[in-house]
Amino acid sequence: GESVGLHLPTLSVQEGDNSIINCAYSNSASDYFIWYKQESGKGPQFIIDIRSNMDKRQGQRVTVLLNKTVKHLSLQIAATQPGDSAVYFCAEISGGSNYKLTFGKGTLLTVNP
Amino acid sequence: DAGITQSPRYKITETGRQVTLMCHQTWSHSYMFWYRQDLGHGLRLIYYSAAADITDKGEVPDGYVVSRSKTENFPLTLESATRSQTSVYFCASSPIRLGDTQYFGPGTRLTVL
Repeated sequence: GESVGLHLPTLSVQEGDNSIINCAYSNSASDYFIWYKQESGKGPQFIIDIRSNMDKRQGQRVTVLLNKTVKHLSLQIAATQPGDSAVYFCAEISGGSNYKLTFGKGTLLTVNP
Repeated sequence: DAGITQSPRYKITETGRQVTLMCHQTWSHSYMFWYRQDLGHGLRLIYYSAAADITDKGEVPDGYVVSRSKTENFPLTLESATRSQTSVYFCASSPIRLGDTQYFGPGTRLTVL
């Protein structure tokens, strides 16, 4: 059976629509953030990153927005495709002598054809 | 270009047995990491290594041992496996700095009976 805490947040979109996946981070000292994509049975794959001195960064079909005031990170995927179906999770990193990397638990994105 | 590989991909063992998971990278990255991924917990850092013969504990190191005699290899050993160590284990590497993007292997699914 299923247990509390095993459910990932899910987002279901139609092919061609834009997707927005959100992540709340906890450490105000984090200075580097990464979005990863993980397909079933595979390791996490780097998508895009952003440093804390930036608010926005764009890649190919993806944009990451960082709001340090509310400690919020979002990943926008334009024209979502079936191949985008995966679990997406953010990672926050604080560097220096107190290195700490924390991964979020992820969001399951399902793209309907 | 093999990148980062893990072996075995699947392993079943019994409680109390010693098991070693292998990780090999061909990029000559300085940093290597071991994570476990469990439902409800996301990715958790077990150990990491800054260079050959330099290792540090992560968030959940108990019950695990690592070594790094060569830059390209970072084996993870469970000295006396327990059922709670049933998980998917990922190895990762990053080029230069501790905060650099990490590149993940395909994972090893370990079941402890």
